Amino acid sequence: GAGVSQTPSNKVTEKGKYVELRCDPISGHTALYWYRQSLGQGPEFLIYFQGTGAADDSGLPNDRFFAVRPEGSVSTLKIQRTERGDSAVYLCASSSPPNRGDTQYFGPGTRLTVL
Amino acid sequence: GDSVTQMEGPVTLSEEAFLTINCTYTATGYPSLFWYVQYPGEGLQLLLKATKADDKGSNKGFEATYRKETTSFHLEKGSVQVSDSAVYFCALINTGTASKLTFGTGTRLQVTL
Repeated sequence: GAGVSQTPSNKVTEKGKYVELRCDPISGHTALYWYRQSLGQGPEFLIYFQGTGAADDSGLPNDRFFAVRPEGSVSTLKIQRTERGDSAVYLCASSSPPNRGDTQYFGPGTRLTVL
Repeated sequence: GDSVTQMEGPVTLSEEAFLTINCTYTATGYPSLFWYVQYPGEGLQLLLKATKADDKGSNKGFEATYRKETTSFHLEKGSVQVSDSAVYFCALINTGTASKLTFGTGTRLQVTL
């Protein structure tokens, strides 16, 4: 079956612009996660959805970052007024059901470059 | 807060050599522990996991044992292959944080003929 997909695979934007990154989880997975991976680092947690609601958004760095999952499937990560420090690979993962022993399946990521 | 510390890379080995990648963690409660692998040009994928103390996770010849007394989860393989060249990430999920993975910085393994 299809895995987690993310679009676009690459996004180049200018400082100050708005971007949207999309994640399509594995069908039937109720839990969805966003992580950010900077060069040479491990992924860092941003936000976790259980169904349509954000169960934990403690990793969002500031109010320029926002994510939605209106129908409990596809999720969009939105970044306003992008800064050069936002450049990273943004990873999405999904699992079902969500408990601490379950495997999170990762997508290929979106590489965001802010010029 | 929770944290994971891995040995720095790159680790360069000849084919058929023995591999150890060290991983230690700091967490309250009883975390589950994971090793993820990222092959060149591919996404992160789970290699193995252990959910309680003294459990051993294993897959593709790799093993790691959950050692609560030393807060460690070292990755080992008896005989590496060129195809094992990748970046390896140790990670944990803590009891109190539901499903949020905390990752180490990753260790790059390069296996040569």
